[in-house]
Amino acid sequence: SYELTQPPSVSVSPGQTASISCSGDQLGNKYACWYQQKPGQSPVLVIYQNTKRPSGIPERFSGSNSGNTATLTISGTQAIDEADYYCQAWDSSHGVVFGGGTKLTVL
Amino acid sequence: QVQLQESGPGLVKPSQTLSLTCTVSGGSIRSSGYYWTWIRQHPGKGLEWIGYIYYSGSTYYNPSLKSRVSISVDTSKDQFSLKLNSVTAADTAVYYCARARIAATGIDWFDPWGQGTLVTVSS
Repeated sequence: SYELTQPPSVSVSPGQTASISCSGDQLGNKYACWYQQKPGQSPVLVIYQNTKRPSGIPERFSGSNSGNTATLTISGTQAIDEADYYCQAWDSSHGVVFGGGTKLTVL
Repeated sequence: QVQLQESGPGLVKPSQTLSLTCTVSGGSIRSSGYYWTWIRQHPGKGLEWIGYIYYSGSTYYNPSLKSRVSISVDTSKDQFSLKLNSVTAADTAVYYCARARIAATGIDWFDPWGQGTLVTVSS
């Protein structure tokens, strides 16, 4: 099976940069996207096609994807960014694949 | 803007069939370039893709659920539906519907998502 691996948790101080990784075999050859999910809410797309931001998503959210790792970066992290983040990609053999999710804590 | 809303029973008995409907508003389910998708999230856990349908009726299911899942579409009502049979407690989850952007191969991303509906499997 194709798996995407994320760290269970990441902590960051307000105003600092948070980086959340997502690892998978040759992930850099696929498109990766990222979702933000706050408690009790539906996931929201924050990055698609590795680096693109949907309308309405703040510029502090950015993404990259190379080799086996995609990364979501939040610059100048704010308290409102505290949430669970999921990466997602498409695998030709297994269909849609989600990472296990990362809980971002803004201390 | 497109919005999605799930509806259906919140409680299903073991061995029975879970049935949910997603209503699309603010746009047409016949829009080219999109699949219509079901995704679930077990309590306190991550996201699991269930399957998707194109407005023409073409479907693609998660191999791990394929034997129990059926997704259908009603273009006259801008709705698509999920049926999951022979449910057990392990199927207790929040079920989301979402619009999926079609990629050159498969799916690119999911946006927007419905608000989700909790389905509990219990006698």
